Amino acid sequence: NAGVTQTPKFQVLKTGQSMTLQCAQDMNHNSMYWYRQDPGMGLRLIYYSASEGTTDKGEVPNGYNVSRLNKREFSLRLESAAPSQTSVYFCASSLTFSGTVNTEAFFGQGTRLTVV
Amino acid sequence: DAKTTQPPSMDCAEGRAANLPCNHSTISGNEYVYWYRQIHSQGPQYIIHGLKNNETNEMASLIITEDRKSSTLILPHATLRDTAVYYCIVRVVETGANNLFFGTGTRLTVIP
Repeated sequence: NAGVTQTPKFQVLKTGQSMTLQCAQDMNHNSMYWYRQDPGMGLRLIYYSASEGTTDKGEVPNGYNVSRLNKREFSLRLESAAPSQTSVYFCASSLTFSGTVNTEAFFGQGTRLTVV
Repeated sequence: DAKTTQPPSMDCAEGRAANLPCNHSTISGNEYVYWYRQIHSQGPQYIIHGLKNNETNEMASLIITEDRKSSTLILPHATLRDTAVYYCIVRVVETGANNLFFGTGTRLTVIP
């Protein structure tokens, strides 16, 4: 049982290049999330997917797009990378999407992205 | 949205109890208090959560005041491996989202 798996673990991009960060979970969770963490700061939500087929913006969605490919996979795409997107990206999943059910979130180990 | 306030850093001697405080004075009646920690640069790890009653699991205890305006995470016997940033989070429900908003947390250093 791998939990939440992110690929790649490290990536260096040139300004203007595009790339997709992959995330997969094997816990049959409904909800998935993408966060970014800048040095010395907490995590900020980029996008989330409450359930398969739905996606919504979080706190800092500009410059990113997401795809909930199926229940297991949730990808984050940078269409034209900028140095301001240098960060550590974390994917997470949780069991249930609901306004009243509080479930814990499980996080991947992160993707360290540098844009030069 | 209820926000949380935590001290930026704390030290604790190895083997002693670590008590991490959190203020959430604007918490709503149906909002839970969650605690996560992040060891070095790893992904955050869930510790515990509660609504109004005190909670205990194999990792920690959570004490929530009667008025729910503050809480304390207790690591009963801190080890060096407990050195991490600890986040106190109040779960926000916005347009039905089950998301977590992280602040900057408390950096706990366990000293040998």
